[in-house]
Amino acid sequence: QKEVEQNSGPLSVPEGAIASLNCTYSDRGSQSFFWYRQYSGKSPELIMFIYSNGDKEDGRFTAQLNKASQYVSLLIRDSQPSDSATYLCAVREYGFNKFYFGSGTKLNVKP
Amino acid sequence: GAVVSQHPSWVICKSGTSVKIECRSLDFQATTMFWYRQFPKQSLMLMATSNEGSKATYEQGVEKDKFLINHASLTLSTLTVTSAHPEDSSFYICSARDTNMGETQYFGPGTRLLVL
Repeated sequence: QKEVEQNSGPLSVPEGAIASLNCTYSDRGSQSFFWYRQYSGKSPELIMFIYSNGDKEDGRFTAQLNKASQYVSLLIRDSQPSDSATYLCAVREYGFNKFYFGSGTKLNVKP
Repeated sequence: GAVVSQHPSWVICKSGTSVKIECRSLDFQATTMFWYRQFPKQSLMLMATSNEGSKATYEQGVEKDKFLINHASLTLSTLTVTSAHPEDSSFYICSARDTNMGETQYFGPGTRLLVL
């Protein structure tokens, strides 16, 4: 069973702070890694994906991948109350057309 | 780009009836579509994966005769919940991926099903 683990939270940060979300995965064959944001009652929306070790930045978001340690993280700089949501980590195994999701981390950004 | 629609967004039906949910990729060709179910405060549960023109692959524990999936074209997949019961009430979300173009899958807005 391929597992993707996330701390369920809630993670509370003050407005303007950096929020750090972490995800670990069990399958070393995992190739691609995704972060989705899901607001309550809505479907997930893609924030970004990463497949190479290191950092990938997109606006206020930075994804960090460490394949040796089997973790991927998402940093949100200058957190805003509108960032309050559940963040889902997903991985895709090389050669397979299937995504494995973590259970999500709930983020609360307090004004 | 990469817009996925679902219809209906809400459906309420009586126990024993069948409900069809449509998932469309509006601006790309979806070689693969996924169907998920999500109960309140829980994560996504993959129900099945369908490739255009092929039979869907169902996850363990998902009854294929109850959840009928058809992926007849590169832009449309349907999920039919047959003989729905109250325990089938959930948030059903489809996603679509063009395996020729990119890594990611794009989600539809979801369909809330309430079976009375």
